[in-house]
Amino acid sequence: DVKVTQSSRYLVKRTGEKVFLECVQDMDHENMFWYRQDPGLGLRLIYFSYDVKMKEKGDIPEGYSVSREKKERFSLILESASTNQTSMYLCASSLSFRLPSSYEQYFGPGTRLTVT
Amino acid sequence: AQSVTQLGSHVSVSEGALVLLRCNYSSSVPPYLFWYVQYPNQGLQLLLKYTTGATLVKGINGFEAEFKKSETSFHLTKPSAHMSDAAEYFCAVSSSNYGGATNKLIFGTGTLLAVQP
Repeated sequence: DVKVTQSSRYLVKRTGEKVFLECVQDMDHENMFWYRQDPGLGLRLIYFSYDVKMKEKGDIPEGYSVSREKKERFSLILESASTNQTSMYLCASSLSFRLPSSYEQYFGPGTRLTVT
Repeated sequence: AQSVTQLGSHVSVSEGALVLLRCNYSSSVPPYLFWYVQYPNQGLQLLLKYTTGATLVKGINGFEAEFKKSETSFHLTKPSAHMSDAAEYFCAVSSSNYGGATNKLIFGTGTLLAVQP
């Protein structure tokens, strides 16, 4: 089974702090994704990566950056956390964009971030 | 551009009753469609998917969905609800960009299913 793990389940940070959220997948997937989930808004894509050191902006990249130095690890960085970034953050991975049968994404358990 | 609409942000059924969660999509290309379930304080888990072939797709936990191209729908059903089905359900459609070089999933806003004893 694919396993996607996230470094923290719950995180509390202060406004202005730099925040790192880490995600690791163990199935050699090419693609990795970061979403935020807010009530009534569903999942919104922040950034994704289809290869090491490659990244693409999603729908709401403002205030975030990402890093993918190794294939299995994808980090989300909040350069200066703000209260409107309080949310649930979900990491996901998928096998490859070249194989239509593998478009499904596998999700980690999520990190609930509170910025005070 | 692709989009997904889930009708009803909250659905309540009695235990043993039929579950019907509605999903309509918009896509300019043949879509791939997915249903995910999210239990409290957990990530999303794939329930079932439609790519090509048979339009009635069976998934885990007794759920199934039918792709109806003419209605642009992919509704999720289960004949008999169980208390353990209480969760949030998300419909998603694949999004083909850059000539298919990258594909993202577009998610609906979710339907919270409550099961009454």
